[in-house]
Amino acid sequence: GQNIDQPTEMTATEGAIVQINCTYQTSGFNGLFWYQQHAGEAPTFLSYNVLDGLEEKGRFSSFLSRSKGYSYLLLKELQMKDSASYLCAVRNNYQLIWGAGTKLIIKP
Amino acid sequence: NAGVTQTPKFQVLKTGQSMTLQCAQDMNHEYMSWYRQDPGMGLRLIHYSVGAGITDQGEVPNGYNVSRSTTEDFPLRLLSAAPSQTSVYFCASRLDVRNTGELFFGEGSRLTVL
Repeated sequence: GQNIDQPTEMTATEGAIVQINCTYQTSGFNGLFWYQQHAGEAPTFLSYNVLDGLEEKGRFSSFLSRSKGYSYLLLKELQMKDSASYLCAVRNNYQLIWGAGTKLIIKP
Repeated sequence: NAGVTQTPKFQVLKTGQSMTLQCAQDMNHEYMSWYRQDPGMGLRLIHYSVGAGITDQGEVPNGYNVSRSTTEDFPLRLLSAAPSQTSVYFCASRLDVRNTGELFFGEGSRLTVL
């Protein structure tokens, strides 16, 4: 079967760092996406990893380990506007398999 | 640049009614798709299209029809609405059909079936 696991909810403090994990078990793997989704809005693209290692993009970084079936999204210098759900999606051939998302709550 | 436009944003139906969710994109994307999003679950693919005149089923196609007569438009039809189809629906498009690019989503359509 195909399975993507993310924590349901996480809480962090403004200005801090948070790591959101995603583990996957899929029949194939061609890359992993992270999307951000604010409440009541559409998902928007954050990052795409196809090779092992860390990809940094401003305050956000994404890491991939294909051998461990594991990725994380690292958010630094948290701001209140980072309160959102973060969706992990694995590309398997021509389709995407989505995790249920992690709701991130930022406290002042 | 409008991107992906979905209508309506909200809709209430009675069981058995039919309706069409509209989706249009102005980015000349080959790939278009419809997802539903339910609490506690990942986005689930309903139908997708890799170009005008070509459609295929996704993970949860039952109760839905699609067509792709033009590159720009990809409507989703609910044939006979059921309470289980209460959900938020997203249309999404991508430039290429090989799944190497990011998906661009519409704002979503919140459907309630009574």
